[in-house]
Amino acid sequence: QKEVEQNSGPLSVPEGAIASLNCTYSDRGSQSFFWYRQYSGKSPELIMSIYSNGDKEDGRFTAQLNKASQYVSLLIRDSQPSDSATYLCAVLTGNQFYFGTGTSLTVIP
Amino acid sequence: NAGVTQTPKFRILKIGQSMTLQCTQDMNHNYMYWYRQDPGMGLKLIYYSVGAGITDKGEVPNGYNVSRSTTEDFPLRLELAAPSQTSVYFCASTDRGDETDTQYFGPGTRLTVL
Repeated sequence: QKEVEQNSGPLSVPEGAIASLNCTYSDRGSQSFFWYRQYSGKSPELIMSIYSNGDKEDGRFTAQLNKASQYVSLLIRDSQPSDSATYLCAVLTGNQFYFGTGTSLTVIP
Repeated sequence: NAGVTQTPKFRILKIGQSMTLQCTQDMNHNYMYWYRQDPGMGLKLIYYSVGAGITDKGEVPNGYNVSRSTTEDFPLRLELAAPSQTSVYFCASTDRGDETDTQYFGPGTRLTVL
């Protein structure tokens, strides 16, 4: 069974700090990797996608991928209260997306 | 652009009843997906479709059926509802391409089976 695991939360950081979210996946054939943000009672929205080893930066967000270690991470710099949400790691393997259970992040003003 | 729309938003079913959850997208995406999300959990793939007339099972297909007669519509059918099907259901679509696998999600349907 293909698995995506995320570091257990909840995670609390003070405003302005760096939040670090981690994810591992079990299938070496997985080809694409995503981070979604989900506010309570809402649908997930994509914040980052990454397809090759290394770092990808978009504003305050940086995704890191290490296929050899089967590891994906998301760094949120200068965390804001509006970043408080659940972050879902997702992996695309073939035609199917597999999601982790999510990490709840709270940014304390 | 409406994106991905789902109806109904909420529904309460009795055990053994059936219903269809509707999903429509206006982005001309070939790929469509149905997920369920239980409280505090991630999304589990129920069924997906890579184009009109083509569907396939995901991780948790038991108790559900789908059809894809048009590019726009991807309804999910629940037969003989059971309490274990109480969940939030999300439909999503994407147009797969070179590093363009963004999924666009509908607002969800919250289903309770009593």
